[in-house]
Amino acid sequence: DTGVSQNPRHKITKRGQNVTFRCDPISEHNRLYWYRQTLGQGPEFLTYFQNEAQLEKSRLLSDRFSAERPKGSFSTLEIQRTEQGDSAMYLCASSLVPGQGNEKLFFGSGTQLSVL
Amino acid sequence: AQKVTQAQTEISVVEKEDVTLDCVYETRDTTYYLFWYKQPPSGELVFLIRRNSFDEQNEISGRYSWNFQKSTSSFNFTITASQVVDSAVYFCALSEAQTGGFKTIFGAGTRLFVKA
Repeated sequence: DTGVSQNPRHKITKRGQNVTFRCDPISEHNRLYWYRQTLGQGPEFLTYFQNEAQLEKSRLLSDRFSAERPKGSFSTLEIQRTEQGDSAMYLCASSLVPGQGNEKLFFGSGTQLSVL
Repeated sequence: AQKVTQAQTEISVVEKEDVTLDCVYETRDTTYYLFWYKQPPSGELVFLIRRNSFDEQNEISGRYSWNFQKSTSSFNFTITASQVVDSAVYFCALSEAQTGGFKTIFGAGTRLFVKA
């Protein structure tokens, strides 16, 4: 397996534009997570899916953010009307359903978003 | 609420020195998991270890060792005989079973510099 794949690696956009990121998890993983990481900080939880169901969303996820995981496979994270404060690395991770040693996360390389 | 604190922002050592990275956590759950992840300059987070709340045995893996103490809510990480390749940001993380649905929360990270 090739691991968690994220596209694009880098995205530069102007304030007010919409952007969409894609994550392809490890194929047999039921869980998919989105995190945001800013410089000098740890990853901050945004949301997670179990199969196609979005089970939790952080308060960090304003109504400009939406995530989907149709058919329980890949996921997309869309940010509408981007703001400069949205500039960050957006990380995707996947795992098997937690329990019995399956709790560890496998991360992608992230999408670096710069909003000008 | 779950929280992870890594009080050391940056640590600098000379190669072959031993170094300990501190991690203190807060949780109300009785069942939880603790992790350490490494983020090298390339950016992708890599899993190092997972510990469940019922297993306080310390663990050693090569030059790495982990000390889990529930009494002080700490899960410290020691690198023995550090090497330049150990230079990275290290994150401690917590995943709660009941209240968190195994959502993983990260500390702010400790940046380790190992000088030759």
